[in-house]
Amino acid sequence: SQTIHQWPATLVQPVGSPLSLECTVEGTSNPNLYWYRQAAGRGLQLLFYSVGIGQISSEVPQNLSASRPQDRQFILSSKKLLLSDSGFYLCAWRGLAGETQYFGPGTRLLVL
Amino acid sequence: KQEVTQIPAALSVPEGENLVLNCSFTDSAIYNLQWFRQDPGKGLTSLLLIQSSQREQTSGRLNASLDKSSGRSTLYIAASQPGDSATYLCAVRPMDSSYKLIFGSGTRLLVRP
Repeated sequence: SQTIHQWPATLVQPVGSPLSLECTVEGTSNPNLYWYRQAAGRGLQLLFYSVGIGQISSEVPQNLSASRPQDRQFILSSKKLLLSDSGFYLCAWRGLAGETQYFGPGTRLLVL
Repeated sequence: KQEVTQIPAALSVPEGENLVLNCSFTDSAIYNLQWFRQDPGKGLTSLLLIQSSQREQTSGRLNASLDKSSGRSTLYIAASQPGDSATYLCAVRPMDSSYKLIFGSGTRLLVRP
């Protein structure tokens, strides 16, 4: 069966510090991968998606970047965090023929 | 631009009540619509997926309907239980950008014992 992992679960970082959030998927090959951000009381905003290794599409201009160094690994990064980067970050995957997206447990980021 | 709206934003009901959550979307050109459940501080779990050609889907005490022409979906929860307390999100998969899901902001449900 497929599983999706995210770490860390919680992160508190000062403004201006770098960021690296990791997402890995097990039990599937060549998934579509997604990074979302959820602000308090809001819906999910798609940040990045990837259809393959090294293929990243950005949905919104921002302070963040994403990379996919391996088939089942998706990394969200920032060189300098802003207060507005605080939120709940969710990674998701979808199979090539799949209809639904499967979500990881999320990472709560607080930028102080 | 597709927009998804969920009403109400929050709902509190006594245990045992039947309830309806609403979702509306502005562009009827969709592949499907999904309802997700999110527990506090957790990821999302898919509850029901309705294809654009379908009218409804059922799973246990949950029933979701879709009226694509009017841009509306409802999630009906029968005989609500305290364990149903969570945030419920609907999302559409648009035809013009089928790789993504467009989410509503959710309805936060509290079922009181």
